Amino acid sequence: AQKITQTQPGMFVQEKEAVTLDCTYDTSDPSYGLFWYKQPSSGEMIFLIYQGSYDQQNATEGRYSLNFQKARKSANLVISASQLGDSAMYFCAMRESPGVKLTFGTGTRLTIIP
Amino acid sequence: GAGVSQSPRYKVAKRGQDVALRCDPISGHVSLFWYQQALGQGPEFLTYFQNEAQLDKSGLPSDRFFAERPEGSVSTLKIQRTQQEDSAVYLCASSLEGYTEAFFGQGTRLTVV
Repeated sequence: AQKITQTQPGMFVQEKEAVTLDCTYDTSDPSYGLFWYKQPSSGEMIFLIYQGSYDQQNATEGRYSLNFQKARKSANLVISASQLGDSAMYFCAMRESPGVKLTFGTGTRLTIIP
Repeated sequence: GAGVSQSPRYKVAKRGQDVALRCDPISGHVSLFWYQQALGQGPEFLTYFQNEAQLDKSGLPSDRFFAERPEGSVSTLKIQRTQQEDSAVYLCASSLEGYTEAFFGQGTRLTVV
């Protein structure tokens, strides 16, 4: 079974609109962490935001927020006021305790339209 | 340097050749990871170091893959007798500790012909 599922292979969004990228996960571990990374065409993975399984509030980092719904096992990334520079691949990832390795989804390619 | 540095950025190898990929982590970062990213896929874990100790190598696909970090800083991923299915981007990441956020390099794109 897939541990991280990203069902949107590609999305097109108008500049300045908000966008939600979906991520669902599968784990029986009560302690885990969820991450979102951005991968532009240059190739590096850029850390965006982190949510711990015990965190009471949804994580936010500038224009990025994570809509964490624990009972539904979803961790959607919300980007507000999208910009042309947001065009990239976005990966959701999970780290299960007590390990340190990340398990990634297959990614969503986001294209911002001017 | 300011970030994780990987070299070479691109490598073309003939099938059967050995290759060595280098990773310079962020200074002071204890943890170092290698991931393999096939075309159109997310990265997949290969191996993990804490300082010079290789604590997890469960993701290495075969005994042709070998990684080392002898002095707890620079790491090398070596692939012996390369095969076409080894073609991928190899990403290195480092973090202060294993549980803190990981910073990735730009990767080495390996093409085996």
